[in-house]
Amino acid sequence: SAVISQKPSRDICQRGTSLTIQCQVDSQVTMMFWYRQQPGQSLTLIATANQGSEATYESGFVIDKFPISRPNLTFSTLTVSNMSPEDSSIYLCSAEYGTGRLTQYFGPGTRLLVL
Amino acid sequence: SQELEQSPQSLIVQEGKNLTINCTSSKTLYGLYWYKQKYGEGLIFLMMLQKGGEEKSHEKITAKLDEKKQQSSLHITASQPSHAGIYLCGADEGAQKLVFGQGTRLTINP
Repeated sequence: SAVISQKPSRDICQRGTSLTIQCQVDSQVTMMFWYRQQPGQSLTLIATANQGSEATYESGFVIDKFPISRPNLTFSTLTVSNMSPEDSSIYLCSAEYGTGRLTQYFGPGTRLLVL
Repeated sequence: SQELEQSPQSLIVQEGKNLTINCTSSKTLYGLYWYKQKYGEGLIFLMMLQKGGEEKSHEKITAKLDEKKQQSSLHITASQPSHAGIYLCGADEGAQKLVFGQGTRLTINP
């Protein structure tokens, strides 16, 4: 099965600061995805990251708040900017790949607490 | 956009008992994923279903997609403490984007 890793696994940050989360996939993939899971909630897609182009953001999410980089086919970063306590969530990256039927795999998540 | 409703929202069962979790879609499902999430952690892929009537099993977990492709069920046989967690169904909205149900929190009592 796929291996997707994320750094950091968790962090506690002060409001007004920014945090960059890294996601590494063990295979080359066309698209990577960033999701947010707020406390007690399900997952919500933030944006889709394609290599070599601007990320595509879902309704309610903007590039200034969540800038994304996708420098190559195995790596992406998500920055949570100017954080507030409402940004406290688990942030997960995912990618779809595999042999035969493609499957979407998720990283272990980054647990963020903003004070 | 597509909406997924899971039932029940939470479930407490005695170890060794069977259980079923349901996932109902507002639209036809073209790809339905089941994931398990340990509290505060990432998602572990369980199974993906695409064809109407499709059924897959892995160890003691069986997932089915109905013929109309609007409902899926996840059945656990002879539950164990290791089955505890949050079970999420996710639907492929196209372009590999997934929309998720609200999750079912499963507790197994010894």
